[in-house]
Amino acid sequence: GEEVAQTPKHLVRGEGQKAKLYCAPIKGHSYVFWYQQVLKNEFKFLISFQNENVFDETGMPKERFSAKCLPNSPCSLEIQATKLEDSAVYFCASSPNQGGSTEAFFGQGTRLTVV
Amino acid sequence: AQSVTQLGSHVSVSEGALVLLRCNYSSSVPPYLFWYVQYPNQGLQLLLKYTTGATLVKGINGFEAEFKKSETSFHLTKPSAHMSDAAEYFCAVSRYNAGNMLTFGGGTRLMVKP
Repeated sequence: GEEVAQTPKHLVRGEGQKAKLYCAPIKGHSYVFWYQQVLKNEFKFLISFQNENVFDETGMPKERFSAKCLPNSPCSLEIQATKLEDSAVYFCASSPNQGGSTEAFFGQGTRLTVV
Repeated sequence: AQSVTQLGSHVSVSEGALVLLRCNYSSSVPPYLFWYVQYPNQGLQLLLKYTTGATLVKGINGFEAEFKKSETSFHLTKPSAHMSDAAEYFCAVSRYNAGNMLTFGGGTRLMVKP
């Protein structure tokens, strides 16, 4: 597709439940990124992929968070046993290559609310 | 390590007035610099970017920014604000050797008064 598609737009989970977010990158883009936006401002980098391989996972919490990009499937970000502090908007972005000057195209985000 | 500081979490201007949103960065290597805009309940849209070459960069919607290495700044300007410019603006930096991983500033909310 011509835009990064994220589903669902909104997700509500009780504390301790699992949350799974999906991202379909722009067709032909090899790189996928996940960011977490809390409190309407701070963006935190979580993880990036080159095709199905993890490229950089320095931002991923060691526990409870995992992500995958499998061939012919949307990428996914999964949070096991959600906590209140996981409430945020999760953005996915894709780009055609890894050059630092290359624009990343962002999806509209998934708002996760943990109650 | 890189960091981005946006001075002023809220900026209010009158319609037709100059818009100036400030961004300072720190980076140990030459950076690539970006300004993104976020409208309510939307994702990020690229306004403009600096990579190499001309330090004055023009973007969409009449915005421009100037890269000043000596001041480590990349301030965003627009000569005349429009009501539709009201949004959250984010300055970001990436490195040539870090893929597209972006380090964002804290954002500036621009309010435009009629």
